Amino acid sequence: RKEVEQDPGPFNVPEGATVAFNCTYSNSASQSFFWYRQDCRKEPKLLMSVYSSGNEDGRFTAQLNRASQYISLLIRDSKLSDSATYLCVVNVYNFNKFYFGSGTKLNVKP
Amino acid sequence: EADIYQTPRYLVIGTGKKITLECSQTMGHDKMYWYQQDPGMELHLIHYSYGVNSTEKGDLSSESTVSRIRTEHFPLTLESARPSHTSQYLCASSGTGVFNEQYFGPGTRLTVT
Repeated sequence: RKEVEQDPGPFNVPEGATVAFNCTYSNSASQSFFWYRQDCRKEPKLLMSVYSSGNEDGRFTAQLNRASQYISLLIRDSKLSDSATYLCVVNVYNFNKFYFGSGTKLNVKP
Repeated sequence: EADIYQTPRYLVIGTGKKITLECSQTMGHDKMYWYQQDPGMELHLIHYSYGVNSTEKGDLSSESTVSRIRTEHFPLTLESARPSHTSQYLCASSGTGVFNEQYFGPGTRLTVT
């Protein structure tokens, strides 16, 4: 079983739509959580960290549910420039490693 | 903006050659990582380091080796390149502590002919 599971998509949405991605993780000892964005043939870039109480950054909202071991990302008012692959990342501190999901591809259409 | 650098950005090389991919960061991060990623596929961890003189193999078996003699420098070496090594190699670093995120370099796109 993979450490981090994501729906690969693609999610095809019109501009202005609201879209949500979920991600589940298997290790209950996981301590920190992140969403990264990766454009085609580029490096992953940090979109936002995910805090226990949930957090928002502009049009992006991240939630963490430790009991169910899942993380979500909500994008409101989608822009064409949001088209990318979104990676869910989990850090298990004791192992000094970051576990990446395989990514969810988002296509925002005009 | 993360201060992590990789050279070369692109490399085309013949089978059997020895190559070293460079990675440097100026953030003073203790932890550094090498990932391999094929186009449209997921990231695979091939090496990581907790600090100077510490290196560990990652989850994906790799014929490459790494060294960590200085905090800021984490080069990856392939003694004898093969076409199966064709891929993108991404270097990353993170600070200590639980909530320190990982920052990536721009990657080296390697093609072995």
